[in-house]
Amino acid sequence: GAGVSQSPRYKVAKRGQDVALRCDPISGHVSLFWYQQALGQGPEFLTYFQNEAQLDKSGLPSDRFFAERPEGSVSTLKIQRTQQEDSAVYLCASSLEAGGSWEQYFGPGTRLTVT
Amino acid sequence: DQQVKQNSPSLSVQEGRISILNCDYTNSMFDYFLWYKKYPAEGPTFLISISSIKDKNEDGRFTVFLNKSAKHLSLHIVPSQPGDSAVYFCAAGRGYQKVTFGTGTKLQVIP
Repeated sequence: GAGVSQSPRYKVAKRGQDVALRCDPISGHVSLFWYQQALGQGPEFLTYFQNEAQLDKSGLPSDRFFAERPEGSVSTLKIQRTQQEDSAVYLCASSLEAGGSWEQYFGPGTRLTVT
Repeated sequence: DQQVKQNSPSLSVQEGRISILNCDYTNSMFDYFLWYKKYPAEGPTFLISISSIKDKNEDGRFTVFLNKSAKHLSLHIVPSQPGDSAVYFCAAGRGYQKVTFGTGTKLQVIP
């Protein structure tokens, strides 16, 4: 189908390793969001792109987290020197229009486990 | 600071009856609210939204009510079906700013 896809679906990393999580949004969607969802919690905002511009990165928990969307389509969330507290599901969502008020289409998420 | 709260972690309802899921918020500047539904191992899917200028929005079996004075919204599902069993997230936002999600309520519809 033409939904949002994320890869890998599961990632196990040793503490201190770098990881890269990929998001393929729906073609033509202007907005792209990254969320972190801990067990038993709701998705927590990390960062927002409007096309290739990163307009809000206020939710990134530390400077070890970095996101990019260089051509306004595929996005990558990179986590450097992973820590155990980074273990979570990372969700990507896209929407047709700018801003968060429009319906967001979520991918299935990447479950990151840091050992 | 939990700006969007879902105080009931779980809810069980008989098939055919009404399910009412509640959500409270603290930020009076939110100007839109959304409900998402999530099945295990899948991302959330959009259900219904409401603008702060309205007090009700209906879409088939789903109705969202907004009480701005009480900073409270609710999602009504009538009639409830077993396929509605999922985790429901309330979310809120303002303009182009980030969307804030609640912690979710797990709904179980018993056949």
